[in-house]
Amino acid sequence: AQSVTQLDSQVPVFEEAPVELRCNYSSSVSVYLFWYVQYPNQGLQLLLKYLSGSTLVKGINGFEAEFNKSQTSFHLRKPSVHISDTAEYFCAVSDPLIQGAQKLVFGQGTRLTINP
Amino acid sequence: DAGVTQSPTHLIKTRGQQVTLRCSPKSGHDTVSWYQQALGQGPQFIFQYYEEEERQRGNFPDRFSGHQFPNYSSELNVNALLLGDSALYLCASSLGGQGDTQYFGPGTRLTVL
Repeated sequence: AQSVTQLDSQVPVFEEAPVELRCNYSSSVSVYLFWYVQYPNQGLQLLLKYLSGSTLVKGINGFEAEFNKSQTSFHLRKPSVHISDTAEYFCAVSDPLIQGAQKLVFGQGTRLTINP
Repeated sequence: DAGVTQSPTHLIKTRGQQVTLRCSPKSGHDTVSWYQQALGQGPQFIFQYYEEEERQRGNFPDRFSGHQFPNYSSELNVNALLLGDSALYLCASSLGGQGDTQYFGPGTRLTVL
């Protein structure tokens, strides 16, 4: 079964500093990878996704992620964070071999806190 | 476009009761998935509906059941509620194709006392 490990439960960062949120997945076959953000008392919003092609994926709000098949990782990065980026971030994986819309398997989440 | 909507926003029940949660998908979407998010955890997949049938199911007991209507809206039913069922229940809709983005609603917060 697929699983996702988010290596940091909490990441505090100063405003305008760079940040990296780490995500590793366990699968020996091809996967689809996703990063979602959850603001307080809201549902999840897609930041970016990797289906195939270029390993560097650019998303909304200045975020990007790099798919590394050999290390089974999909780390999320932003070169300069803002107070408004304070939220919970979830990495998720799905199985492209399943027909139709695939179920998402989520990690435990990383709470990103931006300090002024 | 209203996006994915869920009702109610909050719900308080007691152990042993039954609950029904509702979801309206984003306009044009035909696939609805339900997730349970316990406090401090990532969402866990419950099941998915497409063309009014359950297409996939996660590791949840039969107390969790669902339904999809011809207009693609969906219900999640939970019978014989346990304290451990307290969670945020999220509905996500998509077009149903491989890799299609799942759009999430704001969720229903269920508290079981």
